Amino acid sequence: SQQGEEDPQALSIQEGENATMNCSYKTSINNLQWYRQNSGRGLVHLILIRSNEREKHSGRLRVTLDTSKKSSSLLITASRAADTASYFCAIEISSGSARQLTFGSGTQLTVLP
Amino acid sequence: ETGVTQTPRHLVMGMTNKKSLKCEQHLGHNAMYWYKQSAKKPLELMFVYSLEERVENNSVPSRFSPECPNSSHLFLHLHTLQPEDSALYLCASRATGSHGYTFGSGTRLTVV
Repeated sequence: SQQGEEDPQALSIQEGENATMNCSYKTSINNLQWYRQNSGRGLVHLILIRSNEREKHSGRLRVTLDTSKKSSSLLITASRAADTASYFCAIEISSGSARQLTFGSGTQLTVLP
Repeated sequence: ETGVTQTPRHLVMGMTNKKSLKCEQHLGHNAMYWYKQSAKKPLELMFVYSLEERVENNSVPSRFSPECPNSSHLFLHLHTLQPEDSALYLCASRATGSHGYTFGSGTRLTVV
């Protein structure tokens, strides 16, 4: 597999706390992306970080990337009950002329009101 | 709505049935993807159509057959499926030169 595991598999926190999710991968990447999925629905793109970037912010989201350790983390600050969802990291690779995303197993985040 | 529409939302089929899943986007994207999401497993890429080239995961059984008649439509034809094929099937699209993927809401398939 070109993708590692996400850590933790499940995370439960109180509203207002910060949530940190980690992702590891095995190959060289052009970029790494984070997605959110509400139960049984499609995935929503949250943020993309390129291989030459180390940190990126978008609203309450902060993503870091360490290419030497082949790992990334997603931090959600001041969490809300509406943040309850599954979060997936994905690496983009090229196969011939086609680009494709390879996903991790995801972290199920539950934010308790 | 994301701009990628999948129909039907839910499908129950017998193992001897033939059915098709449909994905449609009018975002001007020209790469389209089928992913399978089974319980407690990572999303599995099944097929890619990019610039009219088809790239497939060689582990996908032949009972799944994709069709991409144009850059806006993608189908997944299903034939003699097995119960283990029950899953959420997700379609995604992407514009050439873009790294952002837009996903549909998926078709929840149950094979009985």
